[in-house]
Amino acid sequence: NAGVTQTPKFRILKIGQSMTLQCAQDMNHNYMYWYRQDPGMGLKLIYYSVGAGITDKGEVPNGYNVSRSTTEDFPLRLELAAPSQTSVYFCASAGGHTQYFGPGTRLTVL
Amino acid sequence: AQSVTQLGSHVSVSEGALVLLRCNYSSSVPPYLFWYVQYPNQGLQLLLKYTTGATLVKGINGFEAEFKKSETSFHLTKPSAHMSDAAEYFCAVSDRTGANSKLTFGKGITLSVRP
Repeated sequence: NAGVTQTPKFRILKIGQSMTLQCAQDMNHNYMYWYRQDPGMGLKLIYYSVGAGITDKGEVPNGYNVSRSTTEDFPLRLELAAPSQTSVYFCASAGGHTQYFGPGTRLTVL
Repeated sequence: AQSVTQLGSHVSVSEGALVLLRCNYSSSVPPYLFWYVQYPNQGLQLLLKYTTGATLVKGINGFEAEFKKSETSFHLTKPSAHMSDAAEYFCAVSDRTGANSKLTFGKGITLSVRP
């Protein structure tokens, strides 16, 4: 049981490039979330999903897109990377009032 | 809208001393309450949660927290700090609309433990 996995662990992007952050869970959870963590700011919700085919915006969705074609996978897409998107990104899935977090992806945009 | 306040950004204690990390929330109705811990370069791990029932909640690694509705607080304590407790701690709340509602996090507190 791997829990929540994220790839890649680290990535450096140039301004204007695009990329997809991958997230997968093997706990059969319907609820999944994407957060970004910036120093001293806690975690901010980007997007979330309550099941395959259903997604909704969180607190800071601008510059990001998501899709949820299966229960297991919840990728986060950055279309035109900007320096303001330099952050650590965490994916989580939820069951029984508990969110389970992946190890994170550290993204730098230069 | 819900909000979470964690006063201060850093707490330093000696090994063996009491750990007290404060959390206050703002919500129109009592929410679900959580404490998460983040060790360096890792994701967040649930320490404990309050959803219903007994207001004193025990979690992993000897931590506990008490929900006080009158004070809108959910402070985290541990009687005796250990070096391995050094980490960042986040208080979070969610509303009661569903079993897995969205979390609102505080800004986090870094705990340092001195030998």
